[in-house]
Amino acid sequence: AQSVTQLDSQVPVFEEAPVELRCNYSSSVSVYLFWYVQYPNQGLQLLLKYLSGSTLVESINGFEAEFNKSQTSFHLRKPSVHISDTAEYFCAALKGDSSYKLIFGSGTRLLVRP
Amino acid sequence: DTGVSQNPRHKITKRGQNVTFRCDPISEHNRLYWYRQTLGQGPEFLTYFQNEAQLEKSRLLSDRFSAERPKGSFSTLEIQRTEQGDSAMYLCASSREAGESYGELFFGEGSRLTVL
Repeated sequence: AQSVTQLDSQVPVFEEAPVELRCNYSSSVSVYLFWYVQYPNQGLQLLLKYLSGSTLVESINGFEAEFNKSQTSFHLRKPSVHISDTAEYFCAALKGDSSYKLIFGSGTRLLVRP
Repeated sequence: DTGVSQNPRHKITKRGQNVTFRCDPISEHNRLYWYRQTLGQGPEFLTYFQNEAQLEKSRLLSDRFSAERPKGSFSTLEIQRTEQGDSAMYLCASSREAGESYGELFFGEGSRLTVL
């Protein structure tokens, strides 16, 4: 089984609608979880991360993700998207508790339409 | 903070030729990573350095691939006898020490390789 799974390759949504990008992880990776975003013609950048503590983590631009151990999920949500949120979103996990190796999912392209 | 810089941004080469990519990390970062990304896939880990020491290599990194970080600053990734399957975007990233920065990688814009 893939270590980090993003089932949706593309998610089209209208501006100001809510969105959820799904991510599931396997037992072969740690529970240090991340979402990275890649805007058109830019490098990947960290959006948010879960290392410990509160299971709900937030980014500065309105995204949030919730670590759910029982469902082995780390879904990304935003209550109201903007055109500028159009990008590729990658879920990732560290390989092990003391590893610096990030394992990425295959990515979800969020396409926000006016 | 000038960001992670990668050169060249694009390289087109014929099968069998050698290519070299360079990565300049953020200056105070002691960890440096190489990833490969193909269309429709997420980045795949290739190798990782802490200062000048190469600490981990993926099985994806065949004997035609070699990476160096001679003085713990910039890094090079060389691919010898390129094959069409090597066509991909090669990404470099760097990071600080662990703690709050654990898992936070700063990526360059990548070097796209096309092997004809």
